[in-house]
Amino acid sequence: KAGVTQTPRYLIKTRGQQVTLSCSPISGHRSVSWYQQTPGQGLQFLFEYFSETQRNKGNFPGRFSGRQFSNSRSEMNVSTLELGDSALYLCASSLGDNYSPLHFGNGTRLTVT
Amino acid sequence: AQRVTQPEKLLSVFKGAPVELKCNYSYSGSPELFWYVQYSRQRLQLLLRHISRESIKGFTADLNKGETSFHLKKPFAQEEDSAMYYCALSGQGGSGDKLTFGTGTRLAVRP
Repeated sequence: KAGVTQTPRYLIKTRGQQVTLSCSPISGHRSVSWYQQTPGQGLQFLFEYFSETQRNKGNFPGRFSGRQFSNSRSEMNVSTLELGDSALYLCASSLGDNYSPLHFGNGTRLTVT
Repeated sequence: AQRVTQPEKLLSVFKGAPVELKCNYSYSGSPELFWYVQYSRQRLQLLLRHISRESIKGFTADLNKGETSFHLKKPFAQEEDSAMYYCALSGQGGSGDKLTFGTGTRLAVRP
């Protein structure tokens, strides 16, 4: 099975712009979660989608949003970028039932200048 | 609120020495706990979860509810164990889809 695929691998944007990141889950996985990883804050949960519905949400401002399509692929959007949004954004997929492990992608490294 | 604490940023041991990576948690309900590992140039992956009571690559972890701890242990460290280790907690019925991670401990095993 192909693993979780995230595109693009690297992005450089300027403050005020918006960005869209993409995640293709493992075939058959219906849950997709997004995490932000920074040296200072570590791994922080953004949100989780299951069958096209947002099921869980972390403590991030409304500038961070996401969606999931019928094929379980997911996108994350960040609007009005700030310098502090520079981070590695990780996507993880799972079956979405109890106790299923998360399978992570390699991440998209976003740099905001 | 749920919180995971990994007090050590770096743990350096010699090959063959015992390893204990500490993890303490704060959660009012009944948590599900996991250890994830990230080897150099590889993606983050599940190492083990307490519900399975399994030993993976010689590592074990026991949930101690009295001490709210889930320390990761291995009796004899190997060089290939060098990696970043994250303890994680799920308070959502163990689905693992909303995990709270600790800040991670880098394990360096010296020859």
